Amino acid sequence: AQSVTQLDSQVPVFEEAPVELRCNYSSSVSVYLFWYVQYPNQGLQLLLKYLSGSTLVKGINGFEAEFNKSQTSFHLRKPSVHISDTAEYFCAVAPFSGGSNYKLTFGKGTLLTVNP
Amino acid sequence: SAVISQKPSRDICQRGTSLTIQCQVDSQVTMMFWYRQQPGQSLTLIATANQGSEATYESGFVIDKFPISRPNLTFSTLTVSNMSPEDSSIYLCSVDLRGANTEAFFGQGTRLTVV
Repeated sequence: AQSVTQLDSQVPVFEEAPVELRCNYSSSVSVYLFWYVQYPNQGLQLLLKYLSGSTLVKGINGFEAEFNKSQTSFHLRKPSVHISDTAEYFCAVAPFSGGSNYKLTFGKGTLLTVNP
Repeated sequence: SAVISQKPSRDICQRGTSLTIQCQVDSQVTMMFWYRQQPGQSLTLIATANQGSEATYESGFVIDKFPISRPNLTFSTLTVSNMSPEDSSIYLCSVDLRGANTEAFFGQGTRLTVV
């Protein structure tokens, strides 16, 4: 089984400031890692994902995340945020193999609020 | 990518009634998923729906409460039966185009309020 911990439920920042949203996971098997964003009254949109290869992955809207296997972390970063980045961000994991273990496991989400 | 349309986008329902949520995808997919997002909580998988077979439910969810249909490769419905205020949530449909857990797409969700 997998579990995901997002350490901050809310992160307020000022516009043009850098931001890091933290995510740690636990799993007995190898996993894929994802970050999703949910804007108000909308579904989830994939920001980025780590499947294999380089541990630094770049996504849409200037976001990037780094996979750290030893610390079982996948923190999301952006060097300069905009008002439009205000949204809920979800970290998720899924096992490599499918079958009965197939599913996405989500963290509880981090509400990023960007203030002018 | 995939375009997923959910209907209704929101509804307010009386307790004891049932609501059927529809999910339409613009391409054929093998697996469709239904999630629940309770207020202030994360997403929890309700069930996996494969065309031509019974849905597979996660622990804590049962078919009598959340019957699912999957009549073809582009469509599915989730019914929330005999609703109570505790069922007030956002329900989301999801598909995985590539399989192997590599990329999931979500509908915009159905915001359900039970009064």
